[in-house]
Amino acid sequence: DIQMAQSPSSLSASVGDRVTITCRTGQSIGNYLNWYQQKPGKAPKLLIYGTSKLQSGVPSRFRASGSGTDFSLTISSLQPEDFATYYCQQTYSTLYSFGQGTKLEIK
Amino acid sequence: QITLKESGPTLVRPTETLTLTCTFSGFSLNTYGVGVGWIRQPPGQALEWLAIIYWDSNKRYSPSLESRLTITKDTSKNQVVLTVTNVDPVDTATYFCAHRTNFYDGSGHYPIIDYWGQGALVTVSS
Repeated sequence: DIQMAQSPSSLSASVGDRVTITCRTGQSIGNYLNWYQQKPGKAPKLLIYGTSKLQSGVPSRFRASGSGTDFSLTISSLQPEDFATYYCQQTYSTLYSFGQGTKLEIK
Repeated sequence: QITLKESGPTLVRPTETLTLTCTFSGFSLNTYGVGVGWIRQPPGQALEWLAIIYWDSNKRYSPSLESRLTITKDTSKNQVVLTVTNVDPVDTATYFCAHRTNFYDGSGHYPIIDYWGQGALVTVSS
């Protein structure tokens, strides 16, 4: 298994804030890192693939970067609909492991 | 339009076998690069990748659960089945199936999970 360390586990912020979530992997995964958003009672939604590429329909306030073992997701100017839980996922190995999630809450 | 839907029991007794079916439409599991995976999420906890089956019938399992999992496909019915043997209350979770593709965006190929079912809550309890 490739270990995934996502931080922070929770985050409080206000509408309009800029927030950053980080994901560190136990070994280099190139740029095979995806980010998902999940709202309560719903399936996850793909936001970012290939480390930094925006999935179709995802607002440009979501930006991501990284390579190797260190990755980040930044949401600039938080909107009310952005309060959710975010997961990173690696697709480098055949076991597509997820991070432990970051719950983004309204301050 | 790709859709997936999980079905199966909502309550299973400890030590029994859980069988979940993912019925999908809008794609073929005979298409190169396509797979269907299973992911679960215990209440209030993180996502856990369980297993995947590919267009070429290759299968991959979570090492920690491999001895208890079996994934199969029936392409004629557009279904993928996951069985979990000897269930325990810790297996209580929402189980999702999802579509995997090797997405090409002009700059490279990227494995992505782009469509998910709505999830099926399974409770393991006596």
